[in-house]
Formats: sequence, C-alpha cells, structure tokens
Amino acid sequence: KAGVTQTPRYLIKTRGQQVTLSCSPISGHRSVSWYQQTPGQGLQFLFEYFSETQRNKGNFPGRFSGRQFSNSRSEMNVSTLELGDSALYLCASSRNLAGGRGDTQYFGPGTRLTVL
Amino acid sequence: QKEVEQDPGPLSVPEGAIVSLNCTYSNSAFQYFMWYRQYSRKGPELLMYTYSSGNKEDGRFTAQVDKSSKYISLFIRDSQPSDSATYLCAMSAIGIQGAQKLVFGQGTRLTINP
Repeated sequence: KAGVTQTPRYLIKTRGQQVTLSCSPISGHRSVSWYQQTPGQGLQFLFEYFSETQRNKGNFPGRFSGRQFSNSRSEMNVSTLELGDSALYLCASSRNLAGGRGDTQYFGPGTRLTVL
Repeated sequence: QKEVEQDPGPLSVPEGAIVSLNCTYSNSAFQYFMWYRQYSRKGPELLMYTYSSGNKEDGRFTAQVDKSSKYISLFIRDSQPSDSATYLCAMSAIGIQGAQKLVFGQGTRLTINP
C-alpha cells in the first residue's frame, strides 16, 4: 500500500507570495492533518480535516488555511508569506476509527518551504 | 510551560547499549501515547503506540506509560548505528466527533556509535 505523498518536496518563495501544498493520504484514510516543523518550535499542529470539514485547528494565524476534497486529498495554503514561515510542512493521514477511539497517524515526507 | 517536555539531547551512546528516552506532560486528558522516529530530511515514522498506562514491547523497543506521574518512556535494547535518529514523543486526547491532534515533544537526537 502506498504511503502518504506530498508535493512538491521542495519550494522556494519570496516574502509576500502565497503557496499551496498538496497531500494525498493512504488509500482508505479519511482524516488528514497538517503540521509545521521548525528547529525552534518543533512539530506544531496546524489543522485536521475529515470528510471535507475542518474538525480541529491549531494556534496559527488566518494566513494558514486548508481544504479537503471528496477523495480525501488535501491542500494547505499560506498567503502573504513571512520569513518565519520557512519550515518543513508535514501531512499525516489516519483511518479515523469509529466510536471516537484514537487512531495512529502516518506521516508523509514533508514539503520543505524556504521563504526568502 | 509546554504541554509536553522532552530533553532535546543530543544523546550519544555506544553500540549495544540500552537507550532510555523520556517525556513528561501536563495535560491529564491525554490518552494515546506514541513514539516516532525521524531520520534526517524524512517524515516521522511511527514506532510505538500505546493507549493509557502500561508497557508495550515490540522487538528491541519497549514503551512505558505512567499516567499517574504523567511520564512516558521508550527503551531501546541492543542499540544499533541504524537507530541513530531523532525520537519524538507524541500524545493526544480525543475531541468532539473523534477529532484528534498530536502534541509533540521537542525530539531527542540520538547517535549510536559503532
């Protein structure tokens, strides 16, 4: 079974631009979460999508947004890029078990974004 | 104070040693506890997954959770140079409609010396 895929793998942008990152979850996984990883702050939760709806959101400004499509694929968008947005952006998918039980999240390789 | 505290290291041990990695947390709502391994320029890879308190063993890896002390551990026996990576603890609680977000520790960089 193929793992989580993310595109592009590397991206260089300048301040003020916007960027869209893409994530394809493992087949059959319906929940997609996004995380930002930086050396200073570590891994931080951005948001989670399930059935095309945002179910959970972290403490990031409104410049960070996302969406999920009917095939569970997800995109995240960052508008008006700042230097501090340079990071590894990771996508994780899970099956979303019934009954509210916890579920393991499987990560993709990430998109490394550099803002100049 | 962060919800999850993890010593970032670095930690360097000789091949064959037993490695102990630990995290403490403050949120008593956490029910699910995980350890991920991350190699340089790769995404985190799930190593161990535990629900509530107790021990779980998988090959050379043992995960322990002590909810009363809000303390989790990962032990690596007979460590190998290929175990050299950053180890991240993560934990979560289940929210409304099954929503789940992982809260990570800072990660411990581990090097196993041949």
